[in-house]
Amino acid sequence: GAVVSQHPSRVICKSGTSVKIECRSLDFQATTMFWYRQFPKQSLMLMATSNEGSKATYEQGVEKDKFLINHASLTLSTLTVTSAHPEDSSFYICSAITGEPTDTQYFGPGTRLTVL
Amino acid sequence: SQKIEQNSEALNIQEGKTATLTCNYTNYSPAYLQWYRQDPGRGPVFLLLIRENEKEKRKERLKVTFDTTLKQSLFHITASQPADSATYLCATTGGGGNKLTFGTGTQLKVEL
Repeated sequence: GAVVSQHPSRVICKSGTSVKIECRSLDFQATTMFWYRQFPKQSLMLMATSNEGSKATYEQGVEKDKFLINHASLTLSTLTVTSAHPEDSSFYICSAITGEPTDTQYFGPGTRLTVL
Repeated sequence: SQKIEQNSEALNIQEGKTATLTCNYTNYSPAYLQWYRQDPGRGPVFLLLIRENEKEKRKERLKVTFDTTLKQSLFHITASQPADSATYLCATTGGGGNKLTFGTGTQLKVEL
């Protein structure tokens, strides 16, 4: 149980274009999902907390107009990187919680974004 | 806010030995402490959770301890195998809301 999928797994795009990444909880309903980015050999950096039906809460320093998050249903959250630039190239990972009081997070497999 | 410290240096051990990874937290004692495994190019995978009132937790070859006096958790892998090579992250609650605070992770390499 508690499986999270992400799509696409890899994406290469040109500078200035927008890219959408989907995060789905496959066998449970997730009222809360999280979006992280990770640079090589570094730890996870939380970008935002996504709650179903409400606006995402962004961490300090994360541009909400650049990283658009939508959590329209209990099983789907999307992250759109708008007007992508090479410095946005990174590994983006989503996670979801099942509602357990332990706040255990179940992660997706990640999306490798390369902006040319 | 809570801060998690893990040894950033890679740990190299021989197959069959016990690997021990350390996680220290700096502030208040969290209600739960969690360990995750991350392979290169993949998302982390939840392994074990230990509660504040538990001294030890086991799952197959994995063992986690929680010492609130030392503000430390130890993660042990017994009879280690090359397939255990990965980065291991510890995390606690206390980031506000449902957020977890993650350590930077320790890379484990199990050699033949």
